[in-house]
Amino acid sequence: GEDVEQSLFLSVREGDSSVINCTYTDSSSTYLYWYKQEPGAGLQLLTYIFSNMDMKQDQRLTVLLNKKDKHLSLRIADTQTGDSAIYFCAESGFNSGAGSYQLTFGKGTKLSVIP
Amino acid sequence: KAGVTQTPRYLIKTRGQQVTLSCSPISGHRSVSWYQQTPGQGLQFLFEYFSETQRNKGNFPGRFSGRQFSNSRSEMNVSTLELGDSALYLCASSLGLVGNEQFFGPGTRLTVL
Repeated sequence: GEDVEQSLFLSVREGDSSVINCTYTDSSSTYLYWYKQEPGAGLQLLTYIFSNMDMKQDQRLTVLLNKKDKHLSLRIADTQTGDSAIYFCAESGFNSGAGSYQLTFGKGTKLSVIP
Repeated sequence: KAGVTQTPRYLIKTRGQQVTLSCSPISGHRSVSWYQQTPGQGLQFLFEYFSETQRNKGNFPGRFSGRQFSNSRSEMNVSTLELGDSALYLCASSLGLVGNEQFFGPGTRLTVL
């Protein structure tokens, strides 16, 4: 079945850039998402990219998509301590049996920002 | 616009009991999806409801069920609770259109003793 892989941990110094990587297997993915989860909270949608795009920038966030390699990355510029959280990559693939799209999530990357 | 709300936020049950969790989607959203989040398995899709019909179902036993009401509010039920059912249960709502965004609630933390 579809699979989404992420590294589990990333540690960066405050002010540096963070790059979180993700690979996925479903070639029918239409949208790819990045969610942020802070302790004790639900998931907050950070940004998303349509599968026919290569790059999307939104303030400090840059998403790069390499559709050929099925590789997605999230770059956070000028990382702050408030960015410490778990970041989930998710792909929206079509479930032909159900006739609808379904999100498949990676296991999340825990970002720790060192002051 | 109010976000997705889930009740209760925390729940403690014992093995063998059953539990019902509630989710109120964002106004106007017709699709509600449920996910189970555990440290070991991550986020796993339970099911999706759209216009009161189950549209999609994940790979969970029949003890897990759900429903959606005409106002799009949804409930999920877990019967005969097991220790392994301890998890954060997340609900997400969306307009239900192709490729649209899902907005998540804060979750219900279920602990089974």
